[in-house]
Amino acid sequence: DTEVTQTPKHLVMGMTNKKSLKCEQHMGHRAMYWYKQKAKKPPELMFVYSYEKLSINESVPSRFSPECPNSSLLNLHLHALQPEDSALYLCASSPLALAGAQETQYFGPGTRLLVL
Amino acid sequence: GENVEQHPSTLSVQEGDSAVIKCTYSDSASNYFPWYKQELGKRPQLIIDIRSNVGEKKDQRIAVTLNKTAKHFSLHITETQPEDSAVYFCAASKSGGSNYKLTFGKGTLLTVNP
Repeated sequence: DTEVTQTPKHLVMGMTNKKSLKCEQHMGHRAMYWYKQKAKKPPELMFVYSYEKLSINESVPSRFSPECPNSSLLNLHLHALQPEDSALYLCASSPLALAGAQETQYFGPGTRLLVL
Repeated sequence: GENVEQHPSTLSVQEGDSAVIKCTYSDSASNYFPWYKQELGKRPQLIIDIRSNVGEKKDQRIAVTLNKTAKHFSLHITETQPEDSAVYFCAASKSGGSNYKLTFGKGTLLTVNP
């Protein structure tokens, strides 16, 4: 398996809802990422997990809560979101085969989120 | 932190022509420069990347050049085809420690007219 997969593909939620986005990879990658992408903009990094530990939080509001249950799975728990959080949420992974070396990040197809 | 400028923001070419997209970066410690192609509604896909120990890299119709002194790198697409139409993002990052952050340019919308 050479892909990053994400579910669901689309999600509509109200501002009082709680939902979760899921990401999975079976490439043996040890770094996983959450990005947010607004229309016609580049992806913005939200969180990075390396070896299942949170290594970067780009000052993301607490209504977004990441979780990495194991080396293949990454979740993003959503609670009390705002309409401006509507965006494409992309997951990515990279190998971490070379200590300290920057490596290619492979992106999943994303979850298109609409907050009403 | 790193800042990546990308030009042009839009580029329209005729099928068969060449297309060039240019990026500049600010952090001289950056040493990894990937290019992603994103078709409408799809994921960003890596098309080519270059590391700072190399000045040029080519893969069929796609090439990337890097000038470390001037801190700029460029994507060259030859013999463009309609399926090359997409948004292209350049990015820069540096290795070391837990620094996995890719800093993206703002993107170039490439349209290849048949």
